[in-house]
Amino acid sequence: DQQVKQNSPSLSVQEGRISILNCDYTNSMFDYFLWYKKYPAEGPTFLISISSIKDKNEDGRFTVFLNKSAKHLSLHIVPSQPGDSAVYFCAVSTGNQFYFGTGTSLTVIP
Amino acid sequence: DAGITQSPRHKVTETGTPVTLRCHQTENHRYMYWYRQDPGHGLRLIHYSYGVKDTDKGEVSDGYSVSRSKTEDFLLTLESATSSQTSVYFCAISGGGRALTYEQYFGPGTRLTVT
Repeated sequence: DQQVKQNSPSLSVQEGRISILNCDYTNSMFDYFLWYKKYPAEGPTFLISISSIKDKNEDGRFTVFLNKSAKHLSLHIVPSQPGDSAVYFCAVSTGNQFYFGTGTSLTVIP
Repeated sequence: DAGITQSPRHKVTETGTPVTLRCHQTENHRYMYWYRQDPGHGLRLIHYSYGVKDTDKGEVSDGYSVSRSKTEDFLLTLESATSSQTSVYFCAISGGGRALTYEQYFGPGTRLTVT
């Protein structure tokens, strides 16, 4: 069973608009949540994270929201830029174990 | 960028042969991880290390072994490669302050094909 699900394999957004990427997880024991960005032929790069004691964390154009009751995580990118086009993975952790979603491919259209 | 290299970057091998992938870091991070990435599965943790000679299993450890004899090197071995182990393998590091940190820094990946 997948611990983490990203139900949208792809997303297209116009430049300047908001991109919203979603992630659902199954286990309420996870205490840390992360987003990674991946370009083709490269390793993932860390983007932003949030601990279970918070419900929002912001870093520039990127904001992560955590809804623990719904076991739902989202990443907002605003304004979206063409350079944001990449695959985005959410990840959850209990400290030693990490579980990644299957990724959402974001395309920002100029 | 964290100093993480993986070798080889590409490898083609035959079923039944042993294969070793190397991850090398210059950041003195305590924690090191091996993942595989497959379509429809995202990244899955194979093994991780929390110090020299200290390792533990991840989600998909069957058919793989690891060793860490030095802080900077983490080796992943497929004792007898199978076609199901064809994948892209990523190494990651974390814990620059020697405490557990959740943010991981990934290497460039190794594409392994088992024929």
